[in-house]
Amino acid sequence: GAGVSQTPSNKVTEKGKYVELRCDPISGHTALYWYRQSLGQGPEFLIYFQGTGAADDSGLPNDRFFAVRPEGSVSTLKIQRTERGDSAVYLCASSPRGRETDTQYFGPGTRLTVL
Amino acid sequence: QQPVQSPQAVILREGEDAVINCSSSKALYSVHWYRQKHGEAPVFLMILLKGGEQKGHDKISASFNEKKQQSSLYLTASQLSYSGTYFCGTESPRQTSGGGADGLTFGKGTHLIIQP
Repeated sequence: GAGVSQTPSNKVTEKGKYVELRCDPISGHTALYWYRQSLGQGPEFLIYFQGTGAADDSGLPNDRFFAVRPEGSVSTLKIQRTERGDSAVYLCASSPRGRETDTQYFGPGTRLTVL
Repeated sequence: QQPVQSPQAVILREGEDAVINCSSSKALYSVHWYRQKHGEAPVFLMILLKGGEQKGHDKISASFNEKKQQSSLYLTASQLSYSGTYFCGTESPRQTSGGGADGLTFGKGTHLIIQP
């Protein structure tokens, strides 16, 4: 079946602008995760959704970052007043139930460049 | 805290073996191993759960020593397709009951280059 998809694949924006990144998880997966990966680093956890609710948003760096998953499927990561330091690849992952034994399947990511 | 992976990079000839280590300062519930090729999504390899288990498929296997909070990934008779960056992602015991897992905490990765 289809894997996790993310759009856009690339986003270039100017400092101070607002951006939205979209994630389509694997159908039927209740758990959805957002990570951020900087060059030469491993993915860094941002937020985890179980269904429609954010079960853990402890990884969001500050209040400029916000994510929603209104219908328990597609999720949108929103970044306000973007800064050059926000440039990174934003990865989305989903898992069937969000249990420790579940595999997290990653999407191809959105490469965000803030000029 | 981020788990520490070693080595940072390794270059092998096709057919040689490699070991990648992942060490955490926190108690671990599980270790997840991924391989990522340049510009692509991380691809799941395997999960190891507490209990000191060892898993494997084909020529890739891994072990998890819960007491030492360490995991190792073993690549035997390496193939060109094994090239990439390997990440371990760790999960600590849940602090709260009920709900699902928190996100994984990943190491910085080990770059593996396989030469013909």
